[in-house]
Amino acid sequence: GDSVTQMEGPVTLSEEAFLTINCTYTATGYPSLFWYVQYPGEGLQLLLKATKADDKGSNKGFEATYRKETTSFHLEKGSVQVSDSAVYFCALSDRGGAQKLVFGQGTRLTINP
Amino acid sequence: DSGVTQTPKHLITATGQRVTLRCSPRSGDLSVYWYQQSLDQGLQFLIQYYNGEERAKGNILERFSAQQFPDLHSELNLSSLELGDSALYFCASSVEPMTELGNTIYFGEGSWLTVV
Repeated sequence: GDSVTQMEGPVTLSEEAFLTINCTYTATGYPSLFWYVQYPGEGLQLLLKATKADDKGSNKGFEATYRKETTSFHLEKGSVQVSDSAVYFCALSDRGGAQKLVFGQGTRLTINP
Repeated sequence: DSGVTQTPKHLITATGQRVTLRCSPRSGDLSVYWYQQSLDQGLQFLIQYYNGEERAKGNILERFSAQQFPDLHSELNLSSLELGDSALYFCASSVEPMTELGNTIYFGEGSWLTVV
């Protein structure tokens, strides 16, 4: 079945550092790809998405590019802030049948001032 | 605010008991999903309903059941509760059809269930 693999955390960075969280997927079709973020004590929020190969999703300074050839959707940010501390989930959604989300295991990010 | 409303936000109950979690989807969304987030299992898809009918079933235990009502709100019923059922239960909703590229699933803030 479809699956998503994220880089293991936790990840700890200093403020203004460059962030990369790796995400690769396995899918039989052509899924849509998502990054969700969960801030402490809160629910899941959609951060960004991409629906086809070479699409770049972006939001709040975060970016991710849908790479079909490497089946990847790595999350990047050029300069992180303390407020970016959260758990980040990569997910895919199959377009056929029930388009449920399949999540990676999540990566906990802590940004130190 | 995603527009998906879940109640209650927190719930503590004893083993063997039964609870009901409620979800109101975003206005206009016909599809409702339930997910379970636990420390050891991560985020697991439980079940999906579309316009009152079950659409897909994931890792949902037989002790759990769900339904979607004509007004599109949904309830997740958890019975014969065990300690291991303690988790954060998310409801999510989306517009259909999902065959339209980029349709997104929006999540509520979740219901924290603690079984003691």
